[in-house]
Amino acid sequence: DAMVIQNPRYQVTQFGKPVTLSCSQTLNHNVMYWYQQKSSQAPKLLFHYYDKDFNNEADTPDNFQSRRPNTSFCFLDIRSPGLGDAAMYLCATSREPLTKGNQPQHFGDGTRLSIL
Amino acid sequence: AQTVTQSQPEMSVQEAETVTLSCTYDTSESDYYLFWYKQPPSRQMILVIRQEAYKQQNATENRFSVNFQKAAKSFSLKISDSQLGDAAMYFCAYNSDSSNTGKLIFGQGTTLQVKP
Repeated sequence: DAMVIQNPRYQVTQFGKPVTLSCSQTLNHNVMYWYQQKSSQAPKLLFHYYDKDFNNEADTPDNFQSRRPNTSFCFLDIRSPGLGDAAMYLCATSREPLTKGNQPQHFGDGTRLSIL
Repeated sequence: AQTVTQSQPEMSVQEAETVTLSCTYDTSESDYYLFWYKQPPSRQMILVIRQEAYKQQNATENRFSVNFQKAAKSFSLKISDSQLGDAAMYFCAYNSDSSNTGKLIFGQGTTLQVKP
C-alpha cells in the first residue's frame, strides 16, 4: 500500500501560471519534505515541515511556497513557474528528523512538472 | 558545507555478478549518517541501506553491503548476485547528526545497468 502519495504523477502548466502539487501520507509522520530533482541530477531539498513548523532552505526561491493544513497533507505551490522550474518534485516523510533515532525518509513517486 | 560525490555517472554489471558503486563525502563532523537510495525509472526512491558513522561495522542488507571508510570519507555500495530488478539510479546521501532538519545531501547519482 502506498504510504506517501503524490498527485498528480504528471503536471503540465503554462509559463507564469500558478500550480499546486499535492502530497499525502498515511504514516502519521511528523516531518514532511519537498525536494526538487532536475533531470539526471540529485534531489535538492526545498523546505520541510516539522509538525507545523516550516523550515525553508536558504537558497529556495521565493517563487516556491508550501502549506501543511494537517499532519497528512502537504502542498507545494509555485506562484509563477518559469521554464527552469521543470523538474520532478519529490515528497518525503519521516517520523522524526534523522537526528532523533535515525529515522529514514520515505519517498513518494514524485510529480513530474512540465512548463509550456 | 558538506558535499557528496559519486564519480561514476553510469555503471553496468552482468546478471549474477557483483558491482561496487563509489561514494565520497566531505565533512568536518564526526557524527553523521550515510545512506544509499535506489530510484528505479519512474518509480519512487527507496532506502537500500544506511550506516551510522559511529559504528565501525559495515552495514549489510541481504545482497547489499557497504564499505565504510571513515578516515577516507568513503562509503561504497556493493551489490552481490546482481538481479535485473537492481537496475536503477543509486544515490548516496549524507545527513548531519547536528542538523535538526533531517536534511539529506545527495550525490549526483549512478545509473546502474544490469545485463542479462
